[in-house]
Amino acid sequence: GDSVTQMEGPVTLSEEAFLTINCTYTATGYPSLFWYVQYPGEGLQLLLKATKADDKGSNKGFEATYRKETTSFHLEKGSVQVSDSAVYFCALSDRFTGNQFYFGTGTSLTVIP
Amino acid sequence: ETGVTQTPRHLVMGMTNKKSLKCEQHLGHNAMYWYKQSAKKPLELMFVYSLEERVENNSVPSRFSPECPNSSHLFLHLHTLQPEDSALYLCASSQDHGGAGVDTQYFGPGTRLTVL
Repeated sequence: GDSVTQMEGPVTLSEEAFLTINCTYTATGYPSLFWYVQYPGEGLQLLLKATKADDKGSNKGFEATYRKETTSFHLEKGSVQVSDSAVYFCALSDRFTGNQFYFGTGTSLTVIP
Repeated sequence: ETGVTQTPRHLVMGMTNKKSLKCEQHLGHNAMYWYKQSAKKPLELMFVYSLEERVENNSVPSRFSPECPNSSHLFLHLHTLQPEDSALYLCASSQDHGGAGVDTQYFGPGTRLTVL
């Protein structure tokens, strides 16, 4: 069945460091891929998405490229800020399974000044 | 701003209480969802409603009872809960469910439920 695997945290970085959070997926069809972010005490917010192979989603300095050959959608940011501290969730939606969402377990990021 | 609101934000209840969680979406979407988020576990999809009809119920205990009176509102009625039901309950909506297009889900802030 469909699933998402993302790197376990927690991840702690200094401000302005480079961030990578790995995400790989398994899907029956050709899924759409998403990154959601959850700030403390809040719900999930859509950060970025990509709907087909080689698409790059980007928002707020974050980027992720849909890599069909490696079934990956790694999240990157060149220079993190303290305000990026949150939990990041990778997810997929597969039309072959009725567009049900499958989420990873989340990766907690803490950025220290 | 997500366009999906949830009330209350926090709820403490005893095992014999009956309470309800409310979700409202202001996005004109046709599908709404309830998820349970527990510590150290992936999000668990509980219920899916599409055009006010329940389309999925992922083996959720009967002490959780959803209600969708219209496409903008979704309730989760709770009764005789157990302490292990303590979690963050998230509501989400999407334009459609199971359609041909990309089905981005938009989440509310959640209700933090504690069962004593």
